[in-house]
Amino acid sequence: DIQMTQSPSSLPASLGDRVTITCRASQDIGNYLRWFQQKPGKSPRLMIYGATNLAAGVPSRFSGSRSGSDYSLTISSLESEDMADYYCLQSKESPFTFGSGTKLEIK
Amino acid sequence: QVQLKESGPGLVQPSQTLSLTCTVSGFSLTSNSVHWVRQPPGKGLEWVGAIWSGGSTDYNSALKSRLSISRDTSKSQVFLKMNSLQTEDTAIYFCTRFPTYWGQGTLVTVSS
Repeated sequence: DIQMTQSPSSLPASLGDRVTITCRASQDIGNYLRWFQQKPGKSPRLMIYGATNLAAGVPSRFSGSRSGSDYSLTISSLESEDMADYYCLQSKESPFTFGSGTKLEIK
Repeated sequence: QVQLKESGPGLVQPSQTLSLTCTVSGFSLTSNSVHWVRQPPGKGLEWVGAIWSGGSTDYNSALKSRLSISRDTSKSQVFLKMNSLQTEDTAIYFCTRFPTYWGQGTLVTVSS
């Protein structure tokens, strides 16, 4: 199975900060990488697909990038509504696998 | 509009079988895949498995021996069955028309 190593597990940040979360794939997944946001008590929400494409309705302060086997989710200027858990997921091959998650919290 | 709703027992005894139903509306199961994702309390997301539009299935490697996903297209329902349940299977189980539309999830507690 493809392993997704996500870091950091926790990210304290201040409003207005630029923050980046990273996932590394254990083997080639091309651009088959998605990012999800999950708020407490809610279902996950797709934020980024195809490694770099913004899902419908997602604010433009979110962006995705790829460098080799490293994939990043960046929020350019943190807002209070962005405080949530974030997960990457590879969908290159089955079984799909999630990263372990990053809790984004106010410093 | 697209909707998915999970249903099933909230409590299952250890070693017993879990049966969950995902009832969907607003789309066809023969044109879309439905996946199951679970989340133990306070922990991360785990992909459980999927049934594809053609009816084939894929499963999480660690759960494969205990897991079955099926569907009834006439009723717009997808079923998850997992046997030999243990306390580690306690989780919120989500069904999703992956990756955009999700049910609200249903909590399954494995306890005697």
